Amino acid sequence: LAKTTQPISMDSYEGQEVNITCSHNNIATNDYITWYQQFPSQGPRFIIQGYKTKVTNEVASLFIPADRKSSTLSLPRVSLSDTAVYYCLVDYPLGNDKIIFGKGTRLHILP
Amino acid sequence: DAMVIQNPRYQVTQFGKPVTLSCSQTLNHNVMYWYQQKSSQAPKLLFHYYDKDFNNEADTPDNFQSRRPNTSFCFLDIRSPGLGDAAMYLCATRQGDANEKLFFGSGTQLSVL
Repeated sequence: LAKTTQPISMDSYEGQEVNITCSHNNIATNDYITWYQQFPSQGPRFIIQGYKTKVTNEVASLFIPADRKSSTLSLPRVSLSDTAVYYCLVDYPLGNDKIIFGKGTRLHILP
Repeated sequence: DAMVIQNPRYQVTQFGKPVTLSCSQTLNHNVMYWYQQKSSQAPKLLFHYYDKDFNNEADTPDNFQSRRPNTSFCFLDIRSPGLGDAAMYLCATRQGDANEKLFFGSGTQLSVL
């Protein structure tokens, strides 16, 4: 299972774009990159998933360079309600069903 | 509508008194997971089921057991809770096919007195 490394914490201000980068140097060919968001006292919830290049949905964008050894979650114009922990996971869905969470990034949005 | 339901939301038990946490799902997913999450830490995988196949993590204490009587329900049994078992317990489901994401319940916060 590919290991991921993220910053432990980040601060930003309302209205800013926030980029959280995740390093996954030993990602395997079949691995996908998935990001989850977790608010206090709640279970994590899916944000976005990608394999290569760029993926965008109504919540975020995910940028994956050609070598796929890192990925960047981009949150446009954050608000106070985006304060949460963000987890980057690398996963091979058709293989072992173990899904292991790394330490995550604690994002704190300031007014 | 909640798709992964965990009951109860808060559970208080006494040191050494067995406790069972429950999880149900309406998604008909074939994979179900139990995670333990302590304050300011990432969720830690305890075990998971692929259909009826049970997969235990090597470092999950023997004190933790699980049952999955059917597709919809999964239980976490803690045979003799210690103070160190106080945590949030999260249940998640997933369809075990390509690219499928995890769906989590709201968790059960366990306190051990």
